[in-house]
Amino acid sequence: QAVVTQEPSLTVSPGGTVTLTCGSSTGAVTSGHYPYWFQQKPGQAPRTLIYDTSNKHSWTPARFSGSLLGGRAALTLSGAQPEDEADYYCLLSYSGVQVFGGGTKLTVL
Amino acid sequence: QVQLVQSGAEVKKPGASVKVSCKASEYSFTGYYMHWVRQAPGQGLEWMGWINLNSGGTKYAQKFQGRVTLTRDTSISTAYMDLSSLISDDTAVYYCARDSGWYWGQGTLVTVSS
Repeated sequence: QAVVTQEPSLTVSPGGTVTLTCGSSTGAVTSGHYPYWFQQKPGQAPRTLIYDTSNKHSWTPARFSGSLLGGRAALTLSGAQPEDEADYYCLLSYSGVQVFGGGTKLTVL
Repeated sequence: QVQLVQSGAEVKKPGASVKVSCKASEYSFTGYYMHWVRQAPGQGLEWMGWINLNSGGTKYAQKFQGRVTLTRDTSISTAYMDLSSLISDDTAVYYCARDSGWYWGQGTLVTVSS
């Protein structure tokens, strides 16, 4: 089974910009992996921020964006807010088999 | 708005089975797939499998093959996850999530303890 890798932790200053990435052990991440990004705060269910690489839900703050960057899926947060402190998970699809990354703990400090 | 309401918390003994339900509030229940994901305490998200809500076809993560069964009842727009031969490591919050945007249920805590 493929392994999906994320940065274990990142720190961003309030108002700053940070990029979280999501890599695949099988090679470059493409749109065919249908990358997803989820945000999870303590004690809450995950919330989907980005689907199919770069699509946003109606509730996704405009400061979040998804893309492909250097063979990885990327989630960019521009203008970080204190409420963005959370765990972020990516998900990749491999011919129907879904694999989560280990998650990135984002600190806004 | 898509809403998924899951059944309540369960406490099970090792070796038992648990069945978690996920009721969808939407018009086109059968037009999608439903995923099941679990999260052990302090750990990350783990995908268990999906069910095609139209055909009933399933795909399971290799780790859960033979121990998990996903079903659905289209008459009441409800999906089910059945996990057998429970061990303490199965203690986790179990989530359903509808495909095409991944809309999540609120989660169901399953505790396995003797």
